[in-house]
Formats: sequence, structure tokens, C-alpha cells
Amino acid sequence: EVKLLESGGGLGQPGGSLRLSCAASGFTFSTYGMTWVRQAPGKGLEWVSSITASGATTYYADSVKGRFTISRDNSRNTLYLQMNNLRAEDTALYYCAKRTSNGDWFFDSWGLGNLVTVSS
Amino acid sequence: EIMLTQSPATLSLSPGERATLSCRARQSVYSYLAWYQHKPGQPPRLLIYDAFNRATGIPSRFSGSGSGTDYTLTIDSLEPEDFAVYYCQQRYKWPLTFGGGTKVDIK
Repeated sequence: EVKLLESGGGLGQPGGSLRLSCAASGFTFSTYGMTWVRQAPGKGLEWVSSITASGATTYYADSVKGRFTISRDNSRNTLYLQMNNLRAEDTALYYCAKRTSNGDWFFDSWGLGNLVTVSS
Repeated sequence: EIMLTQSPATLSLSPGERATLSCRARQSVYSYLAWYQHKPGQPPRLLIYDAFNRATGIPSRFSGSGSGTDYTLTIDSLEPEDFAVYYCQQRYKWPLTFGGGTKVDIK
């Protein structure tokens, strides 16, 4: 059974930093692209960032480019999102998600999400 | 960025009725479109990928259609567990984008 467990969220200061982790199990992590998607309170889903299976290629939404960094450690089956220079509008529930088995950038398994609140 | 517009924003229906949800892209996404179901307190669930392929374990009452810029998710005979928010997502071009969602609620 695929499991994705996010951690590391909480309260962050404007201009500060947080790092999210996503521990993966139940599949061969090193062979799947991964993604972060967020949902601000009362809003819809917003794609944040994706990374290929090897980690060689990364993609970012314009809203986080230059501030957030996606990475992965395939030896630890863990995905990361380093969030710097936090803004109030980064407040959201952050999900990690696994790319589909056929290689499309759609997402067939998701974590339960981790809440990030940016406030002074 | 390819904007996806979903309509209606809210659909009020009774169990047993058919739901028809629309997703319109600003430019063609060449059927590289998925639909997700999202319930409060749960992660999104992939229903349909590449416009009309049902994901693993998805009941046959869910179907997808469309091409080019216009796509439809149809739910035949709504079950009580189908009342949720539905999102479309395109993978044709980076950045990936989601539609704003359609809430299907009980009439």
C-alpha cells in the first residue's frame, strides 16, 4: 500500500523559513516523479512544484520560484520542500503526491497534508 | 500558463441524478486532462486521466469526455458519497494547472 506522510509544517514568520518532508513507503520511490500541491484556506488546489524520479529536473509555480526548493533523497525515500522568504499567502495545507504509474504528470496517491501558517 | 475554467461553481443535485461538470482550457490541452474528487479532511482522489481513462478502482458511473479545450466529467446516478468538490488538471504544459473546482452538493 502506498503511503505518503508529510511533516515539518507549523507556524512560520513572514520572511522566515520552513522545510516540509514527505516520507514515502509502499512503492519504489526512486522510480517516480513527485509533486507538492497546496490548498489555501477556502480556496482550490494549487500546484507548487514537481521533481523527476532522479531529481535531475525540477519545476516551480511562478508564485514560489526563487523562494521554494524541491528536492529528494532516494536513499531515504523522502521528498522535501524548502520554503524560504515565507509570505502570508503561502499559508495553506501542503500535500505531497506521487506521479501516476504510467508516467503522466497526474497524481494517483496523496498524503493527508501538512498545514503551514505564515503569521507574525 | 494554461488557465482552466470550471463550471458551474456549484451544482445542487439529488442522489440518483446525473451530474455534468465542465472544464474549459484557454488553449488546447490535447486530452492531457485529469479529474479529481476532493472531500473535506481527505486528500484528492484521481478519478479520470487523459480525458477519459478511469483510474484504478474508480466506479463506472464516473466518465470523462472531451477534446481540445472543452472537457466534461459525468457522474451517472449520484451516490451519497459522490457529493464533493471536483477539480480538473492539465499536464500538457508547465506549469501544471488546476481548475477552480465545482462543488456538487445535495439539493
